[in-house]
Amino acid sequence: GAVVSQHPSRVICKSGTSVKIECRSLDFQATTMFWYRQFPKQSLMLMATSNEGSKATYEQGVEKDKFLINHASLTLSTLTVTSAHPEDSSFYICSARDPAEGNTEAFFGQGTRLTVV
Amino acid sequence: RKEVEQDPGPFNVPEGATVAFNCTYSNSASQSFFWYRQDCRKELKLLMSVYSSGNEDGRFTAQLNRASQYISLLIRDSKLSDSATYLCVVNPSNTGKLIFGQGTTLQVKP
Repeated sequence: GAVVSQHPSRVICKSGTSVKIECRSLDFQATTMFWYRQFPKQSLMLMATSNEGSKATYEQGVEKDKFLINHASLTLSTLTVTSAHPEDSSFYICSARDPAEGNTEAFFGQGTRLTVV
Repeated sequence: RKEVEQDPGPFNVPEGATVAFNCTYSNSASQSFFWYRQDCRKELKLLMSVYSSGNEDGRFTAQLNRASQYISLLIRDSKLSDSATYLCVVNPSNTGKLIFGQGTTLQVKP
């Protein structure tokens, strides 16, 4: 099956710094990828839809200037948390679908545990 | 009302028990449905898709009732390794944007 790789799996950073998270589709081309965030004991919430070659679509309440998304190629989307604060500490996970396998299953990256100190 | 609702549990069951999880969704036009498993390390894995006709994969059985907007997951003969959080996931428009339930935590005890 399709594989989505996310890196890093865990990162600790200081307040005010920026952190970049990468999401790669390893054996298929993904024109669209999705970024989710999960706070402790809460469900995953969609943050934004990353579109290859165009601007990302952000969900209501998600600051586009704080969470920069770049989808420059068909196999890579990046999420940059800019000027991170402790309240940004969360689990971030990306997903993508393989168009060749129909419009059903979404494949998830391994997730990134971000801790801002 | 949440778009996808699950009983968060936890469900504490002995090995060999049968356990059922329920999930309701609010968007009657939702297209596809899934159960995902999330372990303590947070990696998500697809457990099974859910079809109107119901589907079974070994010890796992999923059911969908569109009229009641209700999804279920039945686990038979529980194993210790089944301990995890089970997420009910709905794809409301077949675009890949998924709506997640809060998850139901299962703890299987020896």
